[in-house]
Amino acid sequence: KNEVEQSPQNLTAQEGEFITINCSYSVGISALHWLQQHPGGGIVSLFMLSSGKKKHGRLIATINIQEKHSSLHITASHPRDSAVYICAVRPFGNEKLTFGTGTRLTIIP
Amino acid sequence: DTEVTQTPKHLVMGMTNKKSLKCEQHMGHRAMYWYKQKAKKPPELMFVYSYEKLSINESVPSRFSPECPNSSLLNLHLHALQPEDSALYLCASSQRTTGVMNTEAFFGQGTRLTVV
Repeated sequence: KNEVEQSPQNLTAQEGEFITINCSYSVGISALHWLQQHPGGGIVSLFMLSSGKKKHGRLIATINIQEKHSSLHITASHPRDSAVYICAVRPFGNEKLTFGTGTRLTIIP
Repeated sequence: DTEVTQTPKHLVMGMTNKKSLKCEQHMGHRAMYWYKQKAKKPPELMFVYSYEKLSINESVPSRFSPECPNSSLLNLHLHALQPEDSALYLCASSQRTTGVMNTEAFFGQGTRLTVV
């Protein structure tokens, strides 16, 4: 079992829909990252969370440390949001990020 | 400047070639990373440099040789690669704090490497 599990693996939605991507992890962490990767490669860091909730534009990320669970929400989704969204955690006492397998999001106009 | 710049963006090399990948950041970050990413897989950590010293080598074959000449630059020297080494190579950096690095990681756009 992976230390970081994401769901769903693939998600297709209509433009304007509210999107939720989930991330569960099994170890104690000092931080959780949500990353976005478009086709062609480059990774953009969306959020880094250690507690609570963060919002940036149409993106909202929440984390529940007790339940070892985080969600990434996208409001009013747009085709340009189509990308792979990756959850990554930094376990306590570890310099390395542990990555989830990603969620491939496709927004249809 | 919150960018991590990688060059080249694309590289095709033969199995007998020697080439280098370059990564640069000017955010004052003292931790820099090399990752390898195969298609439809998450990134895999290769190396971590902390204060210009190699702190993690994830059992990477010696045909990959990292170098950190100063706090802004990270190189990955490639020699005698195999076709299975073809992948996206990503560089990242983060602020280095005492103990665990729980700060945001900034990634470059990657170098797409094809070994023929």
